[in-house]
Amino acid sequence: LAKTTQPISMDSYEGQEVNITCSHNNIATNDYITWYQQFPSQGPRFIIQGYKTKVTNEVASLFIPADRKSSTLSLPRVSLSDTAVYYCLERGYGGATNKLIFGTGTLLAVQP
Amino acid sequence: DSGVTQTPKHLITATGQRVTLRCSPRSGDLSVYWYQQSLDQGLQFLIQYYNGEERAKGNILERFSAQQFPDLHSELNLSSLELGDSALYFCASSPLTGRSTEAFFGQGTRLTVV
Repeated sequence: LAKTTQPISMDSYEGQEVNITCSHNNIATNDYITWYQQFPSQGPRFIIQGYKTKVTNEVASLFIPADRKSSTLSLPRVSLSDTAVYYCLERGYGGATNKLIFGTGTLLAVQP
Repeated sequence: DSGVTQTPKHLITATGQRVTLRCSPRSGDLSVYWYQQSLDQGLQFLIQYYNGEERAKGNILERFSAQQFPDLHSELNLSSLELGDSALYFCASSPLTGRSTEAFFGQGTRLTVV
């Protein structure tokens, strides 16, 4: 079962900043927070990962408070092409034994 | 291009039949994951293999089975197919080491059972 909780859907308009929050109250010490994006009929795509504080890449920013019980994915100035489902997951390094369990995700709908 | 290859891309078959879906992971990735995604549904984790061994099982039906071969490609076998098995089936691969939690997904196989 997924260990994370996030809103089912969000609406936004082009050019706005969108923040999607994820709850992970029982995250393990070794686990990172990872976000994926999925477009219809495509496989999910990795967006960003973080352990604590703030991480930024060319696509998004990820804010994780000190208690690590939640995280916020921030998408700056969204466009119509950002309409997708966004998933947050807890995951550790390495692929040997780390499961990859997706929750229901957040459907972000960006309108003109 | 994620580097993960799934074949075939589309498959149409009749109820009661058996099909095999194939996944070639990224070069060097030892872990392979299989998922089922029905229309308007989330990604249901089915099974994970690591270097040929089963490592984790999710909501995989007894009619479904999988294996990972010595060359690390994986196959998902679906038998006694039912209309409800119509879905997108994704596989993903993940590296063993490295400072990343990233997994790489293929483009999926769309299975239609008629």
